Amino acid sequence: EAQVTQNPRYLITVTGKKLTVTCSQNMNHEYMSWYRQDPGLGLRQIYYSMNVEVTDKGDVPEGYKVSRKEKRNFPLILESPSPNQTSLYFCASSLTFHGTMGYTFGSGTRLTVV
Amino acid sequence: AQKVTQAQTEISVVEKEDVTLDCVYETRDTTYYLFWYKQPPSGELVFLIRRNSFDEQNEISGRYSWNFQKSTSSFNFTITASQVVDSAVYFCALSVDRDDKIIFGKGTRLHILP
Repeated sequence: EAQVTQNPRYLITVTGKKLTVTCSQNMNHEYMSWYRQDPGLGLRQIYYSMNVEVTDKGDVPEGYKVSRKEKRNFPLILESPSPNQTSLYFCASSLTFHGTMGYTFGSGTRLTVV
Repeated sequence: AQKVTQAQTEISVVEKEDVTLDCVYETRDTTYYLFWYKQPPSGELVFLIRRNSFDEQNEISGRYSWNFQKSTSSFNFTITASQVVDSAVYFCALSVDRDDKIIFGKGTRLHILP
């Protein structure tokens, strides 16, 4: 089944403890992206990647890192999480950036930083 | 800069009524793409439609229809004969050809009451 897989689905962590949210797609998509969703703010882009080893900042990149060493994987790294990073995170991919089929999203990761 | 406005934060209608979700966008680019996504209570994001700026034809898919009007910079979404399963948050989004980012509106939460 074609999909974007995010793990974990839920995560509670403490301030300052490094964590990684994994994202993997099995559709050979070139474009991948991370978003965070907060009440009243909609979806905001954190980082995106047009292809392997190519990443760029979105609108809210502070406090996050990403890497794209392989086409299928695009992990989101929080080196020192803070409570303001408590949010619902989505990974998305598409064959090309402006693809006619839009983006395929993962199921989301609900992160709580205490 | 690009912007997407979904002025309706929350809408409630009784089942079988028609409902229109508004989306107004801002861009100075001539080549751009508009999207609608659905987020049901289960939380996943589902792609509904993509429209490019050169195609102003309205689109109909079952009970769903989209009205794209460049003259008013709007890309509105109408659900005919609404059903309880249509209850969700709906996001409108915009991307432009010369940029790698996609901008989401803040979403409209739609309640279909039985």
